[in-house]
Amino acid sequence: DTAVSQTPKYLVTQMGNDKSIKCEQNLGHDTMYWYKQDSKKFLKIMFSYNNKELIINETVPNRFSPKSPDKAHLNLHINSLELGDSAVYFCASSPSGQGETQYFGPGTRLLVL
Amino acid sequence: SQQGEEDPQALSIQEGENATMNCSYKTSINNLQWYRQNSGRGLVHLILIRSNEREKHSGRLRVTLDTSKKSSSLLITASRAADTASYFCATPGRSSASKIIFGSGTRLSIRP
Repeated sequence: DTAVSQTPKYLVTQMGNDKSIKCEQNLGHDTMYWYKQDSKKFLKIMFSYNNKELIINETVPNRFSPKSPDKAHLNLHINSLELGDSAVYFCASSPSGQGETQYFGPGTRLLVL
Repeated sequence: SQQGEEDPQALSIQEGENATMNCSYKTSINNLQWYRQNSGRGLVHLILIRSNEREKHSGRLRVTLDTSKKSSSLLITASRAADTASYFCATPGRSSASKIIFGSGTRLSIRP
């Protein structure tokens, strides 16, 4: 049983397109996160939701919009994709979002051409 | 901004040797975590050490924390090929307890 799953695993698309990445966790956690990992392996938080409420919204372009339909799901929609959006996007979850252990999904490798 | 910085950025050792990675951070923390990332995979939590702890062990892993020097080290003893991965330290965010900030990582290669 995969604790944190993401779909798709790979995403290759043209500049200007709109795409979505989905994340689901079956750990019963209250908090979920989206991270972006660039080519130099820097991992930067983008968003965090706690019980469907947005609690972290880092300096991210408005083209990125997270949505949490319930506390087990956190999706990321990206409008008007740009070359610089190419990266690996990781979803993660934690029990209560208080700086404790986070559980990561396998990542979605996005390549914008 | 980054909170933790790992050192060295890359480390290559012979199988069986010990590997030591260091992490320095900037502000007071109540815990520090270490994560491993195998190539093409997500991060996996290894160990969490609290600010009132000086040392913690988990199998072949030994983590130390020196809050006076704002530094932590991860020691992997008797390294194996499967230990080849990137290792990240992570500390709670300054502006929000809800987030953890990851360091830049140490890329560890174990030579057979």
